[in-house]
Amino acid sequence: SQTIHQWPATLVQPVGSPLSLECTVEGTSNPNLYWYRQAAGRGLQLLFYSVGIGQISSEVPQNLSASRPQDRQFILSSKKLLLSDSGFYLCAWRKGPNTEAFFGQGTRLTVV
Amino acid sequence: LAKTTQPISMDSYEGQEVNITCSHNNIATNDYITWYQQFPSQGPRFIIQGYKTKVTNEVASLFIPADRKSSTLSLPRVSLSDTAVYYCLVDSNYQLIWGAGTKLIIKP
Repeated sequence: SQTIHQWPATLVQPVGSPLSLECTVEGTSNPNLYWYRQAAGRGLQLLFYSVGIGQISSEVPQNLSASRPQDRQFILSSKKLLLSDSGFYLCAWRKGPNTEAFFGQGTRLTVV
Repeated sequence: LAKTTQPISMDSYEGQEVNITCSHNNIATNDYITWYQQFPSQGPRFIIQGYKTKVTNEVASLFIPADRKSSTLSLPRVSLSDTAVYYCLVDSNYQLIWGAGTKLIIKP
């Protein structure tokens, strides 16, 4: 069966520090991968998605970046965090359009 | 991209049937309609997906009229544990864009 792992679960980082959140998927190949951010009480904001290794599409211009170094690995990064980067970050995968999306457990990031 | 519109919030009581309607006036021919449920501090979870008419699974039913410009998620006999945010998505490409969702509160 397929599983998705996302870590860490919580993170407190100072302003200006770097960020690296990792997401891996097991049990499938060539998944579509997604990074979302969710502010408190709000819907999911799509940050990046990838349909293949090295293929990253950015939805929101910001100081975040994403990479997909391996087929089932998706990394969200920042060189210098801002206070506004605080939020709940979710990684997701699915096989393609019109298929069910599966989410990781999320990372609660607090920038202080 | 088809945009969806849902009520911001709804209240109901245990044991009642709850219907949440979603509008998607610009839905395209190839688009499917998918509903997800999200609890606080968790990722959304798939509930049901449909293209037209009616789809039913063990937890919900999805009603889609012939023009497909709206859909209704039906939750039979809700319980307190059904308190969550429910999202309607129109999905036809890789992006998977989410709306604001409907916050459903079930009261005893």
